[in-house]
Order: sequence, then structure tokens, then C-alpha cells
Amino acid sequence: SAVISQKPSRDICQRGTSLTIQCQVDSQVTMMFWYRQQPGQSLTLIATANQGSEATYESGFVIDKFPISRPNLTFSTLTVSNMSPEDSSIYLCSVAGVGANVLTFGAGSRLTVL
Amino acid sequence: DAKTTQPNSMESNEEEPVHLPCNHSTISGTDYIHWYRQLPSQGPEYVIHGLTSNVNNRMASLAIAEDRKSSTLILHRATLRDAAVYYCILHHTSGTYKYIFGTGTRLKVLA
Repeated sequence: SAVISQKPSRDICQRGTSLTIQCQVDSQVTMMFWYRQQPGQSLTLIATANQGSEATYESGFVIDKFPISRPNLTFSTLTVSNMSPEDSSIYLCSVAGVGANVLTFGAGSRLTVL
Repeated sequence: DAKTTQPNSMESNEEEPVHLPCNHSTISGTDYIHWYRQLPSQGPEYVIHGLTSNVNNRMASLAIAEDRKSSTLILHRATLRDAAVYYCILHHTSGTYKYIFGTGTRLKVLA
């Protein structure tokens, strides 16, 4: 299965600033997903990022707040814009393996907004 | 989107079987049922998945009801390392291809 590296692993940010999270995969993958995990909660899908097309956002998430780039088949970024304390969460990148339908996750980026 | 519901928590004694239930009454015919588990400070890891038939692998078994409105993850002999949050997920393959997580069951294994 693919190996995913996320950066940063954790960060503390000030209200009103923006942070970009990077997701690097060791193999080419078509489908990449970004999830948010609020403290003590399950994972919520933010968007699906496919190379060569605009990201598809889930209800409650908008591009202005969570812009996503997918420049090639091994890399993606998620930006959390104009942050507030409510954005304090773990953000996880995941990819779907071709044919096997199995998701592989990165370790996540823990974001704390003060 | 169809969703799953799971009990918040369950307990099991070490070396005994564990049956983790999941309800997905609004599942569509093309949705796969996946199970993942998450250890503290880690991303979720794959356990098992299936569509209609029961499935077995080295980690667990997945029993899917005939009407597909529920499923059960079976850990045959729980160990302390199996203590984790277990998520039942619907993998939508028709329309938008995506994976929707349930609320998860926190499994506690007692020594």
C-alpha cells in the first residue's frame, strides 16, 4: 500500500492566519481525500481531490475556506484559511489504491488555533 | 448520502471473540462496507471490506446481513493491541466516489 507523508505533523496558529498542509505520496494515485477529525470525533470528509480537475467539496465545506491543490499524482495541499479556534482539529490526507478500494491514511496534521 | 450508526463503546475480555455491530439501513446497492480502526495519535488503518458476501482475512471477519442493512465485524480473539476506535464506513462507488465514516465504536479490551 502507499506511504503518505504529511507536513506539518502539528502546528499552533493565531486566529485569522492561514496554514497549508502538504500531503506527499510515494506512488502515483488518482484519488486523494482530505478529512477533518475534531477532538473526540469521527472523521468528516472535506473534499475529494483528483489530479487535473477541481476538488469536489462536501456539504458544509467551501473552497474559499479550504482551498485544495492537486498539481500531480503524488502531491496535494489543503489550506485552512482565516482560521478560528473552531478549526482546531486533526486534518488527514488519504488515498485510494487502484482496484483494491482500500484507503491509506497519513498520520495527520494536528492544528491548534489560539 | 447513506450513513452508518455504531454503538459508542464496547468492552471485551482478552482472548475472547468480539462482535462489533453497524447499521446502514439506507445503503445503496453499489456501496461497499469497510471497517477501519484507529489507534491513538495515528491515522485509521484498514481492517476489512465487502459488498454482499461474508469476508475473512487475517485480521478479522465481516458478516453482512442478507438485506445489507447491517454488518458485524468479528475479531476472533481480542488482544490488548486490538483496543482502538473501530469505524464502519460506506464506500460510495456510484456518483461521487467517496468514503463516509460512521461515528465509531471505542473497543476496550480487558486483561
